[in-house]
Amino acid sequence: DAKTTQPPSMDCAEGRAANLPCNHSTISGNEYVYWYRQIHSQGPQYIIHGLKNNETNEMASLIITEDRKSSTLILPHATLRDTAVYYCIVFTNAGKSTFGDGTTLTVKP
Amino acid sequence: GAVVSQHPSRVICKSGTSVKIECRSLDFQATTMFWYRQFPKQSLMLMATSNEGSKATYEQGVEKDKFLINHASLTLSTLTVTSAHPEDSSFYICSARDALAGKETQYFGPGTRLLVL
Repeated sequence: DAKTTQPPSMDCAEGRAANLPCNHSTISGNEYVYWYRQIHSQGPQYIIHGLKNNETNEMASLIITEDRKSSTLILPHATLRDTAVYYCIVFTNAGKSTFGDGTTLTVKP
Repeated sequence: GAVVSQHPSRVICKSGTSVKIECRSLDFQATTMFWYRQFPKQSLMLMATSNEGSKATYEQGVEKDKFLINHASLTLSTLTVTSAHPEDSSFYICSARDALAGKETQYFGPGTRLLVL
C-alpha cells in the first residue's frame, strides 16, 4: 500500500487560504490521491481526489506534482468550520487503505 | 455526494452481550464495504473488507469470530461485535465504494460509538 506522510498540525487565519501538503512517493501509476476530513466524532467526509491533473470542486483544489510524489490540498478561503483532521489517502485497487495520522488544521479567527 | 448511513449512532451494552451495527448505502449500490475502528485520539484502522455475497476478508490481528460481518445486499453490511468486552469500546465507521465501473471513491458513514460496560 502506498504510504502518505503529512505534517501533524497547521494553523490558518480565517478567510485565508489553507495549503495542506502530503507526500506519497510510493504511489503507483494508476492510483488516485484522495483527501478526506474528519470533524470530531464524525465519519470522514470526502473532499476531492485526483490522478495527475489538478482538480477543483466547490470545496477545494488539489494540486499534484508532475512526478505524482506529492500533492497539496487548498482550501481557498478557510472558515472556522474547516477546523478538522485532514487525511491524504491512496487506496489500492481493492479499495484498501492505510490512514495515517493526518493533519489537524486549526482555523483561527 | 453519495450518502452512507449507520445505525445505531451510539450504543451502550453490558459486557458479554453482542451488538449489531448496520451500514447502508442510501443512493448507490456497493459491492464492497469496509469497516474501520477508531480509538480516541488515533487514526482510523481498517478492520475488514465486506464483499456482497461472499465472506469478508479481515486484516491481520482482527478476530473474524468476534467481529462477524455480513453483506447480504448491495446496500447493506452489518458488523456484529460478539461477546463484547470493555476493550471493544470504540468508534466504528463503515465506508462504501460505488459499484459502478470507474467509481473508486469511498464514502464514509457517520460512525457508531460503542461503549461496553
